[in-house]
Amino acid sequence: RKEVEQDPGPFNVPEGATVAFNCTYSNSASQSFFWYRQDCRKEPKLLMSVYSSGNEDGRFTAQLNRASQYISLLIRDSKLSDSATYLCALTHYDMRFGAGTRLTVKP
Amino acid sequence: NAGVTQTPKFQVLKTGQSMTLQCAQDMNHNSMYWYRQDPGMGLRLIYYSASEGTTDKGEVPNGYNVSRLNKREFSLRLESAAPSQTSVYFCASSEALPGDGDQPQHFGDGTRLSIL
Repeated sequence: RKEVEQDPGPFNVPEGATVAFNCTYSNSASQSFFWYRQDCRKEPKLLMSVYSSGNEDGRFTAQLNRASQYISLLIRDSKLSDSATYLCALTHYDMRFGAGTRLTVKP
Repeated sequence: NAGVTQTPKFQVLKTGQSMTLQCAQDMNHNSMYWYRQDPGMGLRLIYYSASEGTTDKGEVPNGYNVSRLNKREFSLRLESAAPSQTSVYFCASSEALPGDGDQPQHFGDGTRLSIL
């Protein structure tokens, strides 16, 4: 089993839709959790950290479920500009990344 | 505000050639990292440097060497390039190592390396 697993997608959604991604992890001792966004052929950029209490940044909501060992990202009111690959990342002694979930938002 | 700068952006090598990828950060970060990204594999850590003067192996170090030249610069060297090292290489930096709190990493824009 991979240490960090994501559904690769692609998720194809219309503008205005709500879409959610999950990321599961195997190391229960993982400490910090993040979502990164990566545009085609570009570097990953930090989208948001993920906290146990859940956190929100505008249209984006991140959740952590330690008991079930997954994190989630919810995007509300999708925009064309949200089209990208979303990587989850978590840390223990180093940072491990998922392979990413590709999102395409269509007009 | 440059952040993390990588050079070169593109490179084509022949099998057996050597080259060094350069990385510099201007955020006064202590820790720096080299990753490779391959389709379907995600980002995999090659080497990292917790602080100036220290380097450690990551998940996939074979075939690579690194040098932490000073606090700003962290280079990655391929001594004898192989086709399996064709990849996109990203350098990143953070204030402290993972495990030392909530420390996100900031990435350079990558080096696309092809080995024929």
